[in-house]
Amino acid sequence: AQKVTQAQTEISVVEKEDVTLDCVYETRDTTYYLFWYKQPPSGELVFLIRRNSFDEQNEISGRYSWNFQKSTSSFNFTITASQVVDSAVYFCALKGPGNQFYFGTGTSLTVIP
Amino acid sequence: DAGVIQSPRHEVTEMGQEVTLRCKPISGHNSLFWYRQTMMRGLELLIYFNNNVPIDDSGMPEDRFSAKMPNASFSTLKIQPSEPRDSAVYFCASSLRREAFFGQGTRLTVV
Repeated sequence: AQKVTQAQTEISVVEKEDVTLDCVYETRDTTYYLFWYKQPPSGELVFLIRRNSFDEQNEISGRYSWNFQKSTSSFNFTITASQVVDSAVYFCALKGPGNQFYFGTGTSLTVIP
Repeated sequence: DAGVIQSPRHEVTEMGQEVTLRCKPISGHNSLFWYRQTMMRGLELLIYFNNNVPIDDSGMPEDRFSAKMPNASFSTLKIQPSEPRDSAVYFCASSLRREAFFGQGTRLTVV
């Protein structure tokens, strides 16, 4: 079965703090993709990053970084020096060889100025 | 590319009325998804199409919901008759093998 778990429902941090959003997935497929999406208060769902199952290299993009570990079935997302504009709901998602996406329940991040 | 385009952005309708939501996927994408998002249930997949063919409609809540994709550039989600519990944000997304790109959503309110 395919499943994505985001155990953190809500997180609040003070601006400039670092924050890590956890994502744990379950799949029996050997080939799959993992994604992170951001949903700001305006409501749209914005694609942030894709990782395939054969690429465990961590990725950094500005203040954002992603840590993919197959050994623990995790794909965690860290925001360094958080800003108010980072306040949003963040979704982790999994896609196997089929075309269906499996989304977690989301983590609501509030960055307090 | 303009991205996934949904219309209308907002819809307010009375219970019992028919509602049609529209979606234009990104050109060249071969998969299209309809999602519903509510506070209580989060993001739910309603149905998805591959190459205009419905593949999995197990998420469609009941017979009042129907979706079509007559060609690669257009899809509709219809609710007939609508009920207050259908109030939600409905997202359309399209994909070509990898990530999905979402439209801005249609906020539906049934009164």
